[in-house]
Amino acid sequence: DAGVIQSPRHEVTEMGQEVTLRCKPISGHDYLFWYRQTMMQGLELLVYFNNKAVMDDSGMPKDRFSAKMPNASFSTLKIQPSEPRDSAVYFCASSFGAAFYGYTFGSGTRLTVV
Amino acid sequence: AQSVTQPDIHITVSEGASLELRCNYSYGATPYLFWYVQSPGQGLQLLLKYFSGDTLVQGIKGFEAEFKRSQSSFNLRKPSVHWSDAAEYFCAVGARRGGSEKLVFGKGTKLTVNP
Repeated sequence: DAGVIQSPRHEVTEMGQEVTLRCKPISGHDYLFWYRQTMMQGLELLVYFNNKAVMDDSGMPKDRFSAKMPNASFSTLKIQPSEPRDSAVYFCASSFGAAFYGYTFGSGTRLTVV
Repeated sequence: AQSVTQPDIHITVSEGASLELRCNYSYGATPYLFWYVQSPGQGLQLLLKYFSGDTLVQGIKGFEAEFKRSQSSFNLRKPSVHWSDAAEYFCAVGARRGGSEKLVFGKGTKLTVNP
């Protein structure tokens, strides 16, 4: 298995632009998580899905962020409009059976908003 | 809600020396506990996990961790550190039943290994 695949690896965008981050989980995994990593806050959970349904999005700024999982093998995290404070590394992770088995992380997308 | 504290932001050890990274958790019941490692520019890799049973768990790369309920701790150890162990280490706690099925991570401990 190729693991969790995220794209792009790096993204530089101007403030106010729309940004879309993509994730392909490991085949057969039924949970998908989006985390944001910054120096100040560490790893923060933004949203997670179980069988494509949103289970918890309490960590996601809903005025500008949206997350979707249209099928079991693909998820997107969209930021519109982007702001400099959104600059961070965004990780996608997937799991079979939720927290019990631990996550497999992707390599992350480093987002810079200028 | 669960929480994790890693008291040491940065630790420096010499190659060949022993290592212990501290982790304290807060959770109302017996938690799931994990240690992850992150190399620069990479995602997090699972080192080991504790669910139940033997309180000393073995992981990959020669790491082990001990769950101590009385101290709410899950410290990571390695008897002899290699230069390739230089990375950032994260402790995480997960809810065992009900609630939100997520892991909460500590802020991490950065390990530097001197030759």
